Amino acid sequence: EAQVTQNPRYLITVTGKKLTVTCSQNMNHEYMSWYRQDPGLGLRQIYYSMNVEVTDKGDVPEGYKVSRKEKRNFPLILESPSPNQTSLYFCASATGIYYEQYFGPGTRLTVT
Amino acid sequence: DQQVKQNSPSLSVQEGRISILNCDYTNSMFDYFLWYKKYPAEGPTFLISISSIKDKNEDGRFTVFLNKSAKHLSLHIVPSQPGDSAVYFCAASVGGATNKLIFGTGTLLAVQP
Repeated sequence: EAQVTQNPRYLITVTGKKLTVTCSQNMNHEYMSWYRQDPGLGLRQIYYSMNVEVTDKGDVPEGYKVSRKEKRNFPLILESPSPNQTSLYFCASATGIYYEQYFGPGTRLTVT
Repeated sequence: DQQVKQNSPSLSVQEGRISILNCDYTNSMFDYFLWYKKYPAEGPTFLISISSIKDKNEDGRFTVFLNKSAKHLSLHIVPSQPGDSAVYFCAASVGGATNKLIFGTGTLLAVQP
């Protein structure tokens, strides 16, 4: 089954404790991206990657890091989480040709 | 600066009637537009798209209209079904090379049986 998976689905952590949210896709997509969803703000792009070792900032990259060492994986790293990073996070992937993105189920992150 | 705006946070329609969801944008460089549907506790799923060289695209019950001069996009659902109840996001893209998407804030559609 073609899918994008994210782990964990739910995470509660404390300020300053480094964390990683994993994202993996099995569709051999070149493009992958991270979004956060906040009430009244919709979906905002954090980082995206056009291919292995090629990443670029989205609209709200502050406080986040990403890496793309393999085509299927695109982890999101929060080196020092803060309460304003409490949000619902989505990973997505797409082919390089088409714009339709396939989204994962989401990760609900709470930073206290 | 919100480049893609969905000014109606919610919309309620009767089953069988037409649902019209609206989206306005400010960046004239956007060249591709998409609609996504999102159910609670799930990721968004792609619904329909339109290139800036077109003004209409249909897929079954869903039709997207693009008015470039007004910088306005709309999604028509006919007939509306209770299973269409979800949050709908419009999104816009600048340039094929980047594949960067700007999303609107979403409209919650409730289709009443």
